[in-house]
Amino acid sequence: SQQGEEDPQALSIQEGENATMNCSYKTSINNLQWYRQNSGRGLVHLILIRSNEREKHSGRLRVTLDTSKKSSSLLITASRAADTASYFCATDVDNQGGKLIFGQGTELSVKP
Amino acid sequence: SQTIHQWPATLVQPVGSPLSLECTVEGTSNPNLYWYRQAAGRGLQLLFYSVGIGQISSEVPQNLSASRPQDRQFILSSKKLLLSDSGFYLCAWSVGGRHGYTFGSGTRLTVV
Repeated sequence: SQQGEEDPQALSIQEGENATMNCSYKTSINNLQWYRQNSGRGLVHLILIRSNEREKHSGRLRVTLDTSKKSSSLLITASRAADTASYFCATDVDNQGGKLIFGQGTELSVKP
Repeated sequence: SQTIHQWPATLVQPVGSPLSLECTVEGTSNPNLYWYRQAAGRGLQLLFYSVGIGQISSEVPQNLSASRPQDRQFILSSKKLLLSDSGFYLCAWSVGGRHGYTFGSGTRLTVV
């Protein structure tokens, strides 16, 4: 069953701009994760935020989590053309044995 | 170091033929193993997961099956492929629910 939904489905920005992607989910979670996928490749884990955390940083990435609204956002600052990829949120749903449920993804295009 | 191998990278199979996709993990013991399928432009659908040798949980009833004959080997099979089995198949592993998944590079299956 679908848990996470990303918004927007597609995002096109200029190099140097910030990119914000949002994710909403439906049930209680242990943690929420963001992944990146280059076209035709496997997914790469970017960042994990636990249900008791509100914000987390990793390099140019900033993730927020609002469990009251069941939503998360991924911010990529000072974007580069190499950031062009699809980004997925995934939820580790409570009492589901560590299975991840993925959203449909946001396709980000960063133009040089 | 921990790595995951998935092969083949691409596969074209006729309808009604059998399928066997293999995934192996190195550098870790007793991982949780997962098979996902990704339709074009869509998110990932969890097909099977395994928490130990011989333990397989199916998420979606379908034309596929999975087996885990060894601790670090996960196999996705079908006796007779359907056109609807076409897609991008991804294997992943994790250890517990506190860390992200590590994905293989994927197999692009086209059933003709």
